[in-house]
Amino acid sequence: KAGVTQTPRYLIKTRGQQVTLSCSPISGHRSVSWYQQTPGQGLQFLFEYFSETQRNKGNFPGRFSGRQFSNSRSEMNVSTLELGDSALYLCASSAGLTTDTQYFGPGTRLTVL
Amino acid sequence: DQQVKQNSPSLSVQEGRISILNCDYTNSMFDYFLWYKKYPAEGPTFLISISSIKDKNEDGRFTVFLNKSAKHLSLHIVPSQPGDSAVYFCATAGGTSYGKLTFGQGTILTVHP
Repeated sequence: KAGVTQTPRYLIKTRGQQVTLSCSPISGHRSVSWYQQTPGQGLQFLFEYFSETQRNKGNFPGRFSGRQFSNSRSEMNVSTLELGDSALYLCASSAGLTTDTQYFGPGTRLTVL
Repeated sequence: DQQVKQNSPSLSVQEGRISILNCDYTNSMFDYFLWYKKYPAEGPTFLISISSIKDKNEDGRFTVFLNKSAKHLSLHIVPSQPGDSAVYFCATAGGTSYGKLTFGQGTILTVHP
């Protein structure tokens, strides 16, 4: 069974631009969660989607948004990029219960100049 | 307010010996606990998990112990191998916090040949 895939793997943007990251979950998984990893803040939860609905959201500004499609693939968007948005963005998929294990993709490394 | 803490930033052990990684949490609502292994610029890899109804779970060389009264969990790796060298994160989930894992800051494990 194929794992979680994320595209692109690397991205360089400038301040003020917007970016869209994509995540394809493990086949059969309906939940996709997004995380941001930075050296200073560690791994932080952004939001989670299940069956095209956002079920949970972390403490990030409204510039961070996401969506999920009927095939469970998910995208996250960051508008008006700031230098501090430079991070590794990870998505994880699971079957959807809080006790279901989340499996992570390789991440997208975003650099904002 | 860090709800999950890994107080040891790093741990160094000799090949063949036991590695013990520790994690403390504060929220009694957490009822599912996981350990992930991570290499730089890659996504976390799931290692082992335990639910709050158990106090021990084993999978090969990896054993996780949960002490609910102390709000403490630990990961034992026996015997340790050089390939185990990585950053280890504990993570917690629970209640109705769908899709959200709360991570500790990570412990860098180095296993010397």
